Amino acid sequence: DTEVTQTPKHLVMGMTNKKSLKCEQHMGHRAMYWYKQKAKKPPELMFVYSYEKLSINESVPSRFSPECPNSSLLNLHLHALQPEDSALYLCASSRIVGSANTEAFFGQGTRLTVV
Amino acid sequence: EDQVTQSPEALRLQEGESSSLNCSYTVSGLRGLFWYRQDPGKGPEFLFTLYSAGEEKEKERLKATLTKKESFLHITAPKPEDSATYLCAVQARAPGTYKYIFGTGTRLKVLA
Repeated sequence: DTEVTQTPKHLVMGMTNKKSLKCEQHMGHRAMYWYKQKAKKPPELMFVYSYEKLSINESVPSRFSPECPNSSLLNLHLHALQPEDSALYLCASSRIVGSANTEAFFGQGTRLTVV
Repeated sequence: EDQVTQSPEALRLQEGESSSLNCSYTVSGLRGLFWYRQDPGKGPEFLFTLYSAGEEKEKERLKATLTKKESFLHITAPKPEDSATYLCAVQARAPGTYKYIFGTGTRLKVLA
């Protein structure tokens, strides 16, 4: 099983709303990632968690707040977003093996529209 | 600086017309090069991992190869269902962890 499950699949939110994106995997992967993808662009790294600790924050605005409550779950809390934040948000996970991580498996994404 | 460049940006093939996609990379100490397929509005689907120069992997009509500076994804006798964006990524060292750096992708269209 190489499944990463993201919910919801689609989300429309106003600029004053607070919402959360959820990601779940049961592959025993201890590295989890949030990526943002705009149309016709490659995925852009936002955050990396290793062993449930935040390892990388790619200078993401504070209106995006990640959380890793346990080794299977990853959340992205959203608050006071801007229309330019509309994008496909992708969660991924990978196994940590010695001096590198293995390939990352991606979820199907959450299509976010900010109005 | 770690970097991945893919070419061509877009490619149109007739069904059965074989071709190759290129991924050039610059990374300090390659710890894996990855190929993904992405359909519109969906997450990337993992295809192959290559770790060392000379390595090759195959899956149906796809074959990935790796040299010290680039990787190729060869598509033999493609079908319309092979139409997708193909992404290449390398793993780069980051403080306390690793991260995947993606190329801009090749949008492949296979015409029946």
